[in-house]
Amino acid sequence: ETGVTQTPRHLVMGMTNKKSLKCEQHLGHNAMYWYKQSAKKPLELMFVYSLEERVENNSVPSRFSPECPNSSHLFLHLHTLQPEDSALYLCASSQDPPGRSGGRSAEQYFGPGTRLTVT
Amino acid sequence: AQSVSQHNHHVILSEAASLELGCNYSYGGTVNLFWYVQYPGQHLQLLLKYFSGDPLVKGIKGFEAEFIKSKFSFNLRKPSVQWSDTAEYFCAVNALNTGNQFYFGTGTSLTVIP
Repeated sequence: ETGVTQTPRHLVMGMTNKKSLKCEQHLGHNAMYWYKQSAKKPLELMFVYSLEERVENNSVPSRFSPECPNSSHLFLHLHTLQPEDSALYLCASSQDPPGRSGGRSAEQYFGPGTRLTVT
Repeated sequence: AQSVSQHNHHVILSEAASLELGCNYSYGGTVNLFWYVQYPGQHLQLLLKYFSGDPLVKGIKGFEAEFIKSKFSFNLRKPSVQWSDTAEYFCAVNALNTGNQFYFGTGTSLTVIP
């Protein structure tokens, strides 16, 4: 399988549940990203990982907990979410993060997203 | 606040019409600029990018964009659109003085009528 894959594609969870989103990239990239896409709002960058090290954390609530066990896999652990957290969560990867490469190899490849609904 | 603005939220064109989608940003210093496209039911994919050099960049499927530094703009153009260009278009900025941050606009929905 090529590109960036995400599972599950759809997830419905209650506010007291714990779930995880998974992202896998098959491109040999060194950087991975989590974004949140809500209706009528810009994509919001949540986290950036470079070689399994978190390099950006954009004031995301602690109920979202990322994990990057290796350069090909990225998880987003979810617990005690709120209804306003319902959104499309996108994973992306790039050869390098822009801060390392000056942007030249920061072209991002996106996965299909996980549509999350919090009830 | 710093931002990326796409003023056209929804554009409807007939086939063969010319397209220009606006993108303005408010970040200073050196910037890397991107346009991404999302066709119905598909992933976001890169349309074109600007890092340096010639401010007029060409991308896939006949799209081009022009970086005008003095106007903080990176407008997307296509001289003649096709029905298959119906999609959502997103402008994105990486300002190098913000390190690893990417900022996206809200997107422009383009509908091309056959």
